Amino acid sequence: AQSVTQLGSHVSVSEGALVLLRCNYSSSVPPYLFWYVQYPNQGLQLLLKYTTGATLVKGINGFEAEFKKSETSFHLTKPSAHMSDAAEYFCAVSDMSSNYKLTFGKGTLLTVNP
Amino acid sequence: DGGITQSPKYLFRKEGQNVTLSCEQNLNHDAMYWYRQDPGQGLRLIYYSQIVNDFQKGDIAEGYSVSREKKESFPLTVTSAQKNPTAFYLCASSIRRGGLLSYNEQFFGPGTRLTVL
Repeated sequence: AQSVTQLGSHVSVSEGALVLLRCNYSSSVPPYLFWYVQYPNQGLQLLLKYTTGATLVKGINGFEAEFKKSETSFHLTKPSAHMSDAAEYFCAVSDMSSNYKLTFGKGTLLTVNP
Repeated sequence: DGGITQSPKYLFRKEGQNVTLSCEQNLNHDAMYWYRQDPGQGLRLIYYSQIVNDFQKGDIAEGYSVSREKKESFPLTVTSAQKNPTAFYLCASSIRRGGLLSYNEQFFGPGTRLTVL
C-alpha cells in the first residue's frame, strides 16, 4: 500500500529565505508524485507533478521538486519565499497498484515572516 | 471557463438530519471524487466514480452515499449515520486513460464546509 509522510506539520521561514518542504513516500511500484497548495478555505491547486522522465520538476510560482528514487523522496523547494507563499502544502502519491487513486500526506503549513 | 463548482460554500446541519452537497464539473472528466479534510489529517477519500452510474467506496465511506446519474454531477449525501460529519468536503475530477483512472492530476473544487449544530 502506498503512503506519504510529510516531515514537519508547520514550517516557518523569513521572506526571501529558502523554502524546503519534505515529502517521503512508500510505493511498491513506480510512483506518480504531486504537490498541491491550499489557501485558507479554498480547494487544492496543483503546483507540480512527477510522472516519468526528468527527475527535477518545475512548477508554478517558482517552486520545484526533485524525485529521488533511492531516498524515496520528493521534496519541494523555492529559492526565495514570498509572503504570498503562505499556505498549506500537500504531497500526494498514486500508482498502478492503487488504481491511480491519490494518497495524501497530512500537509505542511508554511508561514512566511516579513 | 472550465472548472468544478461546489455548493453551498457553508452548510449547517442539525444532528440527525441528512444533507446533500453538490458538485458539478464542466471539464468533461469521466472520474470524480469526494474527499473529507480535517485539520492535521490531510485528505481522505470518501467515494469515487470512474463513469456514469458507477461508483466505489473509498477509505471512509461509512455514513455517506453518492450517486452519478450524469457525467457532470456527483452529489454527496452525509447521512445521520455519520457520527462526526463536521469537516471540509472537497470534490475533484480527473480524466481516464484506456478505461482506467490515470496518473494525471485531479482538479479540485472550492470545497463545502459542513458544521453540525
